[in-house]
Amino acid sequence: GQNIDQPTEMTATEGAIVQINCTYQTSGFNGLFWYQQHAGEAPTFLSYNVLDGLEEKGRFSSFLSRSKGYSYLLLKELQMKDSASYLCAVMDSNYQLIWGAGTKLIIKP
Amino acid sequence: GAVVSQHPSRVICKSGTSVKIECRSLDFQATTMFWYRQFPKKSLMLMATSNEGSKATYEQGVEKDKFLINHASLTLSTLTVTSAHPEDSSFYICSASSGDRNEQFFGPGTRLTVL
Repeated sequence: GQNIDQPTEMTATEGAIVQINCTYQTSGFNGLFWYQQHAGEAPTFLSYNVLDGLEEKGRFSSFLSRSKGYSYLLLKELQMKDSASYLCAVMDSNYQLIWGAGTKLIIKP
Repeated sequence: GAVVSQHPSRVICKSGTSVKIECRSLDFQATTMFWYRQFPKKSLMLMATSNEGSKATYEQGVEKDKFLINHASLTLSTLTVTSAHPEDSSFYICSASSGDRNEQFFGPGTRLTVL
């Protein structure tokens, strides 16, 4: 079966750095997405990785290793507004998005 | 970026009534639209995929006669929840893809409460 694993919840301190991991097992691979979702709102796109390596976009970076079925989202200089759920999703060989359950990130002052 | 709107953003209805939710791509043509449902503290669950002008493809366990999907144009898809029951209360989110299969743009979601 297809499976996306990410931690359920993480806590970090304002101004610090946090890494949210995601491992996956899917039927084929056409890219991995990270989305941010605030409570009661729809997801918003953060990043897309299809090749191995690190993609940096401001305070957020995303890493992919296809051979290991592994990705992480790195958030730097954490702000209180970063408190949200972070969803990892993989596009399989049928171009369907397989979603992880999300990681709830709690930022403390 | 591409913008997707949903209407209404929130709806409360009585059990047994039908509710229609609209999803529009405002600045691009959406060849494919996706309908998701999300229960509290749960991940997104794909309900169906619809391509413009053809019948929607429903995920296993989703009743196509209960959740009617129409994708009549390249900018509009509708989801009708027929004979809604309290267990249908959920957050319904649509997303749209322009044909570049590697990105979906999400609408803001519709919170449905069935009394």
